[in-house]
Amino acid sequence: NAGVTQTPKFRVLKTGQSMTLLCAQDMNHEYMYWYRQDPGMGLRLIHYSVGEGTTAKGEVPDGYNVSRLKKQNFLLGLESAAPSQTSVYFCASSTHGRPDTQYFGPGTRLTVL
Amino acid sequence: GDSVTQMEGPVTLSEEAFLTINCTYTATGYPSLFWYVQYPGEGLQLLLKATKADDKGSNKGFEATYRKETTSFHLEKGSVQVSDSAVYFCALRKDSNYQLIWGAGTKLIIKP
Repeated sequence: NAGVTQTPKFRVLKTGQSMTLLCAQDMNHEYMYWYRQDPGMGLRLIHYSVGEGTTAKGEVPDGYNVSRLKKQNFLLGLESAAPSQTSVYFCASSTHGRPDTQYFGPGTRLTVL
Repeated sequence: GDSVTQMEGPVTLSEEAFLTINCTYTATGYPSLFWYVQYPGEGLQLLLKATKADDKGSNKGFEATYRKETTSFHLEKGSVQVSDSAVYFCALRKDSNYQLIWGAGTKLIIKP
């Protein structure tokens, strides 16, 4: 039981490049989330999903897209990376019955030059 | 809008000292309140929670009491250990929403 895993752990991009962050969970959770963590700002919700095939915008969705084609996977895409997207990205999941308890992955540290 | 405010860190203490990390919130209605902990190099994990006024959440020697009159949920521990060194996040959730609203986090450093 791996819980929530994220790929990759680190990445450096140049401005304008694109990439996809992969999140996978093996707990059969319905809800999945993408957050970004910046110094002094806590966690901010980018996008979330309440089930396979559904996604919704969070607090800071601009510049990101997501897809949830399979229940266990939640992908976060950056189409044209900007330095302002330098951050640590966390994926989390939770069950429908206990949305309070979110299980987090170890994070992806992204630097955009 | 709804928000969570935590004391700024880092908080540096010696082993066996008493710990308090302040958390206050702004929200209408009756939110649920949480403390999450992030150990170095890891993702966040739920430490404790309280769902209504005067509830006390506890886990691993940590406690926090939901005080509606002061809109606070301060985290306390009677005797900290080096292994408690981490970043602690306070968060709230409205009943009508499964999204969590997070504080900025407080880094705790415990020296032996």
